[in-house]
Amino acid sequence: GESVGLHLPTLSVQEGDNSIINCAYSNSASDYFIWYKQESGKGPQFIIDIRSNMDKRQGQRVTVLLNKTVKHLSLQIAATQPGDSAVYFCAETSNAGGTSYGKLTFGQGTILTVHP
Amino acid sequence: EPEVTQTPSHQVTQMGQEVILRCVPISNHLYFYWYRQILGQKVEFLVSFYNNEISEKSEIFDDQFSVERPDGSNFTLKIRSTKLEDSAMYFCASSEWGGYSNQPQHFGDGTRLSIL
Repeated sequence: GESVGLHLPTLSVQEGDNSIINCAYSNSASDYFIWYKQESGKGPQFIIDIRSNMDKRQGQRVTVLLNKTVKHLSLQIAATQPGDSAVYFCAETSNAGGTSYGKLTFGQGTILTVHP
Repeated sequence: EPEVTQTPSHQVTQMGQEVILRCVPISNHLYFYWYRQILGQKVEFLVSFYNNEISEKSEIFDDQFSVERPDGSNFTLKIRSTKLEDSAMYFCASSEWGGYSNQPQHFGDGTRLSIL
């Protein structure tokens, strides 16, 4: 459900560990998903995207998994580094009915802290 | 790497005053967006803009808000008579395409708007 976002989920890991950040979405018509990283004082930075006709996509050190059955998205970061510490947001959009012009709906965000 | 730039980084304005937030999208991008993020909350969509007209807007984007592309490079958000609840980070984003094409949106670092 909706949240005021004052208490973001947190994930603390040791440097070198793998991190998994999860996101649930509610719109079954969503067909495009993006993960963003937001560092303090900065705007959301694009990490990786995935279309609904895929269930996995890999980038450099990152993998996104999409499970449309349960409306769940995850971001896996391999060999996490201190520079990965940030807030991570999932975002989704839907082109259902041809009425969308790219409006992104953002999730609440997860705070990732990487300890050296 | 091309980026979206926003000015000013911080704007302090008296309640009731007009404010204009400025953005220079990535040069070959055709779709432009404004989002806002109230402290501690999710990033929220305000408006999308394509071909010199609004494509989609949210309930937040009422008659006090307007957008304009005054020349070939700038994209502005105007709030006519600011209210205390307009205090937030405002992010501009752009994408090469939008709608059906599912292109990632690239964000600027935002303008922090503080209404006194």
